[in-house]
Amino acid sequence: DVKVTQSSRYLVKRTGEKVFLECVQDMDHENMFWYRQDPGLGLRLIYFSYDVKMKEKGDIPEGYSVSREKKERFSLILESASTNQTSMYLCASSPWTGRTGELFFGEGSRLTVL
Amino acid sequence: GENVEQHPSTLSVQEGDSAVIKCTYSDSASNYFPWYKQELGKGPQLIIDIRSNVGEKKDQRIAVTLNKTAKHFSLHITETQPEDSAVYFCAASTGTALIFGKGTTLSVSS
Repeated sequence: DVKVTQSSRYLVKRTGEKVFLECVQDMDHENMFWYRQDPGLGLRLIYFSYDVKMKEKGDIPEGYSVSREKKERFSLILESASTNQTSMYLCASSPWTGRTGELFFGEGSRLTVL
Repeated sequence: GENVEQHPSTLSVQEGDSAVIKCTYSDSASNYFPWYKQELGKGPQLIIDIRSNVGEKKDQRIAVTLNKTAKHFSLHITETQPEDSAVYFCAASTGTALIFGKGTTLSVSS
């Protein structure tokens, strides 16, 4: 089975802190994604990566950055956390480019910014 | 850009009933339509998908229909069971963007 592991299930941070969300996949997928999930808003794409050291902005990249130093690992970084970044963050990987194939999601990281 | 509307936002059915969730999309270039199920405390998981060259697809109790002319697609679950209770997301992809609907919370009571 494909395994996408998000290192932290629950985090509580203070406003202004730098936050790292880590994601690792074990299926050698080229493509990795970070989504944000909020009630009533569905899933919104923050950033994605088609290859190591490559990144592309999604629909809501403001306030976030990413790092992909190794194929299996994709990190989401909040340089200075704010309360409006309190949310559920979902990492996903996929072997398909062009976003026309299955996404494999991790179980999510619930971030609370106080 | 693409916009996906999903209805209803909540749906309650009795065990054994059918459930239908409908989505509409705006970009006629969309050609891939997946449905994801998210159980409590877990990430979304693909349950069925359909491509624009197909009008209907079935997998046991789950079926998806696509009407390209009207730009809408629907998820049908027959003989619902308590384990079908979850949040369901539709999505539409043009190949360069995958846009999700806002989700439907399905509750199946026994």
